[in-house]
Amino acid sequence: SQTIHQWPATLVQPVGSPLSLECTVEGTSNPNLYWYRQAAGRGLQLLFYSVGIGQISSEVPQNLSASRPQDRQFILSSKKLLLSDSGFYLCAWSSSAPGNTIYFGEGSWLTVV
Amino acid sequence: DAKTTQPPSMDCAEGRAANLPCNHSTISGNEYVYWYRQIHSQGPQYIIHGLKNNETNEMASLIITEDRKSSTLILPHATLRDTAVYYCISRPGASGTASKLTFGTGTRLQVTL
Repeated sequence: SQTIHQWPATLVQPVGSPLSLECTVEGTSNPNLYWYRQAAGRGLQLLFYSVGIGQISSEVPQNLSASRPQDRQFILSSKKLLLSDSGFYLCAWSSSAPGNTIYFGEGSWLTVV
Repeated sequence: DAKTTQPPSMDCAEGRAANLPCNHSTISGNEYVYWYRQIHSQGPQYIIHGLKNNETNEMASLIITEDRKSSTLILPHATLRDTAVYYCISRPGASGTASKLTFGTGTRLQVTL
């Protein structure tokens, strides 16, 4: 069966510090991968998605970037965090087949102080 | 993607059926209706999806009207652990870039004793 893991689960970072959130998927190949963010009390916002290694599409302009160095690895990064980057970050995956269901990881809570 | 509208909140007594409505009057012919739920501080959990026929799985039933302009998610015997925010999402059935999920604000279901 397929599983998705992301880490760290929680982190507190000072303003201006870098960020790296990592996500890996097991049990499947060539998945579509996604990064979502959920600000406190808000809905989920799609940040990035990837349909293959090195292929990243950004949905909203922001202080963040994403990379996909391996088929089942998706990384969310920032060089200098802002207070507004605080939130709940979710990695997700789906197969590349039509009508594919998207499955989410456990999420990472980021607090920028 | 078609926009969906849901009531912001609902209550349900434990052991009773919870019926969560969703309006998707602008849904197009190739768009599926997906339901997810999110328990506080966790990633969204996939529940069920359908195109035009009613669907049932171990978690819930999905009833889609004949004109596909609305649907109802049914939790047959709600428990306290079903307390969560439930999201109804319409999404094209194609793969790749069209397979994104756009979340609204959902319905907060409170199951009470």
